[in-house]
Amino acid sequence: QLQLQESGPGLVKPSETLSLTCTVSGDSISSSSYSWGWIRQPPGQGLEWIGNSSYSGSTYYNPSLRSRATLSLDTSKNHFSLKLTSVTAADTAVYYCARSGSYAFLDYWGQGSLVTVSS
Amino acid sequence: EIVLTQSPGTLSLSPGERATLSCRASQGVNPSYLAWYQQKPGQPPRLLIYSASSRAAGVPDRFSGRGSGTDFTLTISRLEPEDFAVYYCQQFSNSLHTFGQGTKLEIK
Repeated sequence: QLQLQESGPGLVKPSETLSLTCTVSGDSISSSSYSWGWIRQPPGQGLEWIGNSSYSGSTYYNPSLRSRATLSLDTSKNHFSLKLTSVTAADTAVYYCARSGSYAFLDYWGQGSLVTVSS
Repeated sequence: EIVLTQSPGTLSLSPGERATLSCRASQGVNPSYLAWYQQKPGQPPRLLIYSASSRAAGVPDRFSGRGSGTDFTLTISRLEPEDFAVYYCQQFSNSLHTFGQGTKLEIK
């Protein structure tokens, strides 16, 4: 059974870099059939896609976050990561990692990691 | 970027009733790349429907999706207590994913 688990600091100071990792079990992130992505949800609000990356090297970002977000895959550890620079309070959210299938639907999700940006 | 607008924002119904949720796109969407998700408080979204009309594994057949072009619909034929949640549509085109703002389905 495929499982995804986010990990990282729950509190980040303004202007610093948010770093999260998603550890995948039950599948290999080097599979050519899927890409791996991040989605966030501010408290009480809707879902916002951040970006997706695949083993083939294709990486796509939400245009509104492209200048600050970096996604990377580490096949040796079977995990993928998100870095978001210069964070502000507006980046406070639950961050989810997810697998994206061939028609770009998100079929497996992590439980989410709440990141609060505050001094 | 394609914008998805969901309506209504909140839908108040009783168990046993039929629910119809709408997702309208700002430009045409390939139905193969249109999905619906259900989210309950404190949980991640759950994939319900992919490619506009295909049910994900384990999803009851009271859930159905249809649509083409700019108009897509999620229908729950007979509401069960566990169906009251927030529902999101999502599309993928030009290497970008976008979500609708969600419809909250609440018990009347």
